[in-house]
Amino acid sequence: EADIYQTPRYLVIGTGKKITLECSQTMGHDKMYWYQQDPGMELHLIHYSYGVNSTEKGDLSSESTVSRIRTEHFPLTLESARPSHTSQYLCASSPTSRYYNEQFFGPGTRLTVL
Amino acid sequence: DQQVKQNSPSLSVQEGRISILNCDYTNSMFDYFLWYKKYPAEGPTFLISISSIKDKNEDGRFTVFLNKSAKHLSLHIVPSQPGDSAVYFCAASARQGGSEKLVFGKGTKLTVNP
Repeated sequence: EADIYQTPRYLVIGTGKKITLECSQTMGHDKMYWYQQDPGMELHLIHYSYGVNSTEKGDLSSESTVSRIRTEHFPLTLESARPSHTSQYLCASSPTSRYYNEQFFGPGTRLTVL
Repeated sequence: DQQVKQNSPSLSVQEGRISILNCDYTNSMFDYFLWYKKYPAEGPTFLISISSIKDKNEDGRFTVFLNKSAKHLSLHIVPSQPGDSAVYFCAASARQGGSEKLVFGKGTKLTVNP
């Protein structure tokens, strides 16, 4: 069973605030990912990490930043939130495997910036 | 340009009948395909996958078919149950290229009517 957690589940915040979305997994997975999804749209990869101290930007440009100081923890930070950042943010992880790369997702954080 | 396309935003079927969800892709480097299921306010859950060396993979009520020459895959659910009502995402990756990133379609909302 996948154990990946995201907090908060819902966040409503004013423009200009700094926010950090938390993501933790207890499966010991090396690889972790952040996706952004708007209603009716595909999931877009915004950040990924293949291990501690390794972070890369994804296919969709994002003003957010991430860090990976511990294997289990992959927080996402927005220094100054704007209404255009309103979206659902999904964190995922996957094990290092030569056979498959299914990703396990957390429940997501629904962010609304007023 | 979308590399993974799910052209039907929604599908409605009767309980007990077959549900067929379709997915097309454009990148010939994709060699691994996955289906995810997503309920509202939850993260996607892995359902079934298929490698490009196969043309069919079955798991209980769920079967995925892959037609590489047509760059098309489909998910069959038989028999459909009301609990199957959710959004289904098709995803693909190019593992041979060294990438383990997933590219998602926009999803198809399945409604199974009792």
